[in-house]
Amino acid sequence: DIVMTQSPDSLAVSLGERATINCKSSQSVLHSSSNKNYLAWYQQIPGQPPKLLIYWASTRESGVPDRFSGSGSGTDFTLTISSLQAEDVAVYYCHQYYSFPQTFGQGTKVEIK
Amino acid sequence: QVQLVQSGAEVKKPGASVMVSCKTSGYTFTTYGITWVRQAPGQGLEWMGWISTYNGNTNYAQKFQGRVTMTTDTSTRTAYMEVRSLRSDDTAMYYCARDISLFQSWGQGTLVTVTS
Repeated sequence: DIVMTQSPDSLAVSLGERATINCKSSQSVLHSSSNKNYLAWYQQIPGQPPKLLIYWASTRESGVPDRFSGSGSGTDFTLTISSLQAEDVAVYYCHQYYSFPQTFGQGTKVEIK
Repeated sequence: QVQLVQSGAEVKKPGASVMVSCKTSGYTFTTYGITWVRQAPGQGLEWMGWISTYNGNTNYAQKFQGRVTMTTDTSTRTAYMEVRSLRSDDTAMYYCARDISLFQSWGQGTLVTVTS
């Protein structure tokens, strides 16, 4: 199984400041034939199901604010919130869909400092 | 619009079985598979498995093999997941999500509590 490890487990950021979450996979999720990274990011607000933010490592889902961006390739990925807003308080998960069983990172809790 | 509506909360005793349903609308049912994900209280997301709504093919996480069965009913556009031999550590919110990989739409979740 591919193990997804996120860092940090939690972070507190001031409103308007940048938040950066890292995700490392135990093996590459870059598919050679398509040159696509099978990596997504989800946001989960307490009491709600997860919401898809980013897929193919860097493609923003329709309707997601452009302050959210994804980067990285192979085994190392980053989700960046360029200017944290109050409504961004949530837990964020990376997810690999490169192979079965699909796996999620353990989650990173983002709070306001 | 796309909707996935799950069945209501369940309370079960250890050793019992539970079936959770996921009724879909707003899209062609057989175009997208259904994935099941669970989340224990205060914990992260756990992928349980996937079923093709086109031909019924399944892929289960190894830890659930033999204890979980996913099915679909195309006539009612509904997916089902049965978990047998429930244990206390099966207490969790169970979610269905549309698609095999990019989960753009989710059900609201079904809380299954296993308690004696």
